[in-house]
Parts: sequence; structure tokens; C-alpha cells
Amino acid sequence: KNEVEQSPQNLTAQEGEFITINCSYSVGISALHWLQQHPGGGIVSLFMLSSGKKKHGRLIATINIQEKHSSLHITASHPRDSAVYICAAHAYSGAGSYQLTFGKGTKLSVIP
Amino acid sequence: NAGVTQTPKFQVLKTGQSMTLQCAQDMNHEYMSWYRQDPGMGLRLIHYSVGAGITDQGEVPNGYNVSRSTTEDFPLRLLSAAPSQTSVYFCASSYSKYAFYGATFGSGTRLTVV
Repeated sequence: KNEVEQSPQNLTAQEGEFITINCSYSVGISALHWLQQHPGGGIVSLFMLSSGKKKHGRLIATINIQEKHSSLHITASHPRDSAVYICAAHAYSGAGSYQLTFGKGTKLSVIP
Repeated sequence: NAGVTQTPKFQVLKTGQSMTLQCAQDMNHEYMSWYRQDPGMGLRLIHYSVGAGITDQGEVPNGYNVSRSTTEDFPLRLLSAAPSQTSVYFCASSYSKYAFYGATFGSGTRLTVV
């Protein structure tokens, strides 16, 4: 069973700061997902990574397959970035079957 | 375009009662899935489906049944509710086999079992 660890659990930042959230997993995967859960509970898919780096606006996600580690970076953080960020390790085993293991989330608060 | 519709938003059940959480999508997505979210545990996959007529178990399937008779609908049935099933439930759909890639989530159902 894959173990997924996120750090830190909680993070408070001043507006404009550069944010890094880390995610480590224990066994090989097909893809690594980053999700954002808004304070009201809604969940949005941010990135899916199988290698390298992806960028969307001020959000950057990287993955190192050899080290089994992924990071989510937020540049020029803003109070509207305040949310819980969740990583999920996706192991696809073929024929439509897969395992999906989630981290417990990182609660980010960005203060004006 | 409604996306993913989950009903009800809130529900209180007595121990032993049964109920169905509804999930419907209008995006013609093949992949649909159910999750529960508990404090301190994070999200966990209950059941998923890769197309009409095909379902599979996730990490925590016990006490739940699913079926996928149409592409649009993926209901989750609680057979005999237990207090341990108190949780927030999310349904999601995606066009990709990689679960969340391009996924749309429902707004959640907060279930309390007393």
C-alpha cells in the first residue's frame, strides 16, 4: 500500500511570499495529482504529473520520480490562495484498475 | 452545463437505515468515483467506475454498494448505516483514466449517522 506524506500540515504566509508544499510517496506510481479544496469545501483538480514540471499561472508543480517526491509552489501568494492543498498518488494497474492514495492535506493561510 | 450534481447536500440517518447518495454528470465522462473525507484521515476512495456496467472497489468499499447502469449516473448506496459512516462524501467524474485529470467534483454530501 502506498503511503503518502505531506508537509507541512499547516502553513501561514504573508501576501506575496513564495510557498512550497511537499509530498512524498513510498511506492512507484503512474501519476501524482494536486488538488485544491476551498474553505467552502469545493475541490478543484490543479495538476497531474508523471514527470518533470507543470505551470499554471502562479502555480508550479514538480515531481522527482527517482526520489518519489513532488512539490507544489505558489509564487506571489495572495489571500485567495488560502485553501487546503492535497496530493494524491495514482497507481494505474491496467485494465481500468487503479489505486489512489491521498495525503492528509496542507492548510495554507495567506495573510494580507 | 451543470457539471457534477450530488444530492442530497445534507442527510441525517439513524443506525441501520439505508439510503442512496445520487451523483449525476452531463459531460459524457467515462470515469466516475466516490470518496469520503474524514477529519485527520483525508480523502479516501470508496468505489470507482471506468464506464457503464463496470465498477471496482477503492480503499474503503465495505458497507457501500455502487452500480453504473448509464454513463451519466453513479449512485452510492449505504446498505445499513453505521456511525462510522458519518463523513463528507464527494463524487467526481473525469474523461481520463487518470482519475483526476480534468476531473470535476460534486459539491459534497454531509452525512451524519446517529
